[in-house]
Amino acid sequence: AQSVAQPEDQVNVAEGNPLTVKCTYSVSGNPYLFWYVQYPNRGLQFLLKYITGDNLVKGSYGFEAEFNKSQTSFHLKKPSALVSDSALYFCAVRDDAGNMLTFGGGTRLMVKP
Amino acid sequence: NAGVTQTPKFQVLKTGQSMTLQCAQDMNHNSMYWYRQDPGMGLRLIYYSASEGTTDKGEVPNGYNVSRLNKREFSLRLESAAPSQTSVYFCASSPWTALGGTQYFGPGTRLLVL
Repeated sequence: AQSVAQPEDQVNVAEGNPLTVKCTYSVSGNPYLFWYVQYPNRGLQFLLKYITGDNLVKGSYGFEAEFNKSQTSFHLKKPSALVSDSALYFCAVRDDAGNMLTFGGGTRLMVKP
Repeated sequence: NAGVTQTPKFQVLKTGQSMTLQCAQDMNHNSMYWYRQDPGMGLRLIYYSASEGTTDKGEVPNGYNVSRLNKREFSLRLESAAPSQTSVYFCASSPWTALGGTQYFGPGTRLLVL
């Protein structure tokens, strides 16, 4: 069975500082990895995905994520955080044989001015 | 292009009542999904439909039924609501898995069961 772990319930960062939201996964076969963001009272919005190729994936709103196969990680990063980045972030994984996404428990990002 | 739409936005039910949550997408996607979101538990898949005419159970299907009415619409039914079904329900759709399987989500339905 596939699984995703987001070890931090909340990440606090000052505006302008770099941010990292951590994600590790377990899956049989090749992983398809995703990051989604959820703003209050809204549905999830797709940020970026890793399917194959370059380990550094660039996505929406200046976010990027690094795929590390040996550490089974897919951490979300941004060089300079904005207050408007404050939201709930979800990592998800799907294997190449399946049709279902498995989500992590979510990490709340708080960016303070 | 409205994307994924869900109705109603909010609903209060009494224990034992039934209701149907509606979902529609206008992106010509093949696959559709129903999730529930509970605090600290992320999203859990209830049912999904890989293509028109097929439905499959997800992680937490008990107490729910689904209907893939056509390619656009995928409904979720609670036959006899229980307080444990108080949650936020999200519908999602995606194109063929071979295209990466990115899922696009609706705005959600908040359900309170008393």
